[in-house]
Amino acid sequence: TQLLEQSPQFLSIQEGENLTVYCNSSSVFSSLQWYRQEPGEGPVLLVTVVTGGEVKKLKRLTFQFGDARKDSSLHITAAQPGDTGLYLCAGMDSGAGSYQLTFGKGTKLSVIP
Amino acid sequence: ETGVTQTPRHLVMGMTNKKSLKCEQHLGHNAMYWYKQSAKKPLELMFVYSLEERVENNSVPSRFSPECPNSSHLFLHLHTLQPEDSALYLCASSQDLKGDTEAFFGQGTRLTVV
Repeated sequence: TQLLEQSPQFLSIQEGENLTVYCNSSSVFSSLQWYRQEPGEGPVLLVTVVTGGEVKKLKRLTFQFGDARKDSSLHITAAQPGDTGLYLCAGMDSGAGSYQLTFGKGTKLSVIP
Repeated sequence: ETGVTQTPRHLVMGMTNKKSLKCEQHLGHNAMYWYKQSAKKPLELMFVYSLEERVENNSVPSRFSPECPNSSHLFLHLHTLQPEDSALYLCASSQDLKGDTEAFFGQGTRLTVV
């Protein structure tokens, strides 16, 4: 069973601060996705990373996929209250013939105005 | 608007009741999924359908019964549930089953079993 560990579980910061959340596994994934879920809503995809070492930027969000494709990080610059939510990482191992995304438990982020 | 609509948004049912959750997608996708989201646990995949055929069933108890009558609709039939089945049930769809395809989620049905 592939497991994704996300850290920290909870993070509360002031508006304008920077932060990094992590997603780690002992398994290799063919791709990894980051989602944000707001209360009362379903997760919404932010980014998919496929290549080891890949870095993708989405406005103030920077995503990195580890060289070995076992871990990933999400860095937010100058956090805004609108960034508040549950950040989920999910890995896909398409080589196993399985169709399922393995999700981490998420990092719950609160950005205080 | 994500294009994936789930009804009802909230459901309270007794352990002897029978109810169904409905999911509809208007995105022209070929794959649909049911996930369970419980507190303090990762999202758990329950069922996967591709082109209306079930392709994965992750050891889900038989009190959960999925149905996919066409590529736009997915149901989850519930009967004789237990209190520990209380959770947020999320439906998702994707264009196909490829590894880098994007999954679009509905808003979920918050289920409480009493």
